[in-house]
Amino acid sequence: SQQGEEDPQALSIQEGENATMNCSYKTSINNLQWYRQNSGRGLVHLILIRSNEREKHSGRLRVTLDTSKKSSSLLITASRAADTASYFCATDSYSGTYKYIFGTGTRLKVLA
Amino acid sequence: GAGVSQSPRYKVAKRGQDVALRCDPISGHVSLFWYQQALGQGPEFLTYFQNEAQLDKSGLPSDRFFAERPEGSVSTLKIQRTQQEDSAVYLCASSRAPGGATGELFFGEGSRLTVL
Repeated sequence: SQQGEEDPQALSIQEGENATMNCSYKTSINNLQWYRQNSGRGLVHLILIRSNEREKHSGRLRVTLDTSKKSSSLLITASRAADTASYFCATDSYSGTYKYIFGTGTRLKVLA
Repeated sequence: GAGVSQSPRYKVAKRGQDVALRCDPISGHVSLFWYQQALGQGPEFLTYFQNEAQLDKSGLPSDRFFAERPEGSVSTLKIQRTQQEDSAVYLCASSRAPGGATGELFFGEGSRLTVL
C-alpha cells in the first residue's frame, strides 16, 4: 500500500485543550482531505484542502497544507469529549483513475 | 436513501466459505469505492467503479475477491474461499463526481467480516 503517515499515532488531552495531528504523504496531490471515524462506525468527511491552498478553517477545525514538505496538519481547538475518535488524512492518487489513499490515523482521546 | 447503506453489518464465516457484501450508495452518485480496514489501521483501497464500469481493481488482494456494480447503483463485493486474513471491516464509499478527486467521499458504516 502507499498510505500516508499520521503522527502522533495516539493523543490524549484534556477537554478544552487544542489537539494537533500531522499527516505526511508521498506523491503530488490535487487535494487532501481529513476524515473522522468513531469506534465501529464509518468515516465522516471533515474538510478538504486543495493543493493551491495553504490554510483552511471550518468551525473549530484548522487545516494547513505544505506541498513542498508533502505534509498537512489538523488542529482542533477547544476540544470536547465528543471529539474522541480516530482521524485520517486522505490524498488523491492518480494512476489511470483517481482514488483516495488513507493514512494510518491518529487516535484522539479527549478526557472530560 | 439518505446515506450509504451496507449489509450485513456483521458476518461470521467459516474458513473456505464464500461471502457477499452489499453496498447501496447515495442515489445518483457516480463513483463507488470499496476499502478494507484492518483493526487499528487506515482504510486500504480495493476497487473503484464509475457508474457500472470497474475502472480500477488494483487493490483487490487476490483473485478470490470480486466486485460488481451491474446497473451503476448497488454494488456487491464477493470473497470466495474466505481465509482468516480476510477478517476486516469492508467499507463502501460513494461520491457525486466521476473519479474521487473532485470531492468528499460518503462512507457507509461498514461490514465487519470475521473468518473463523
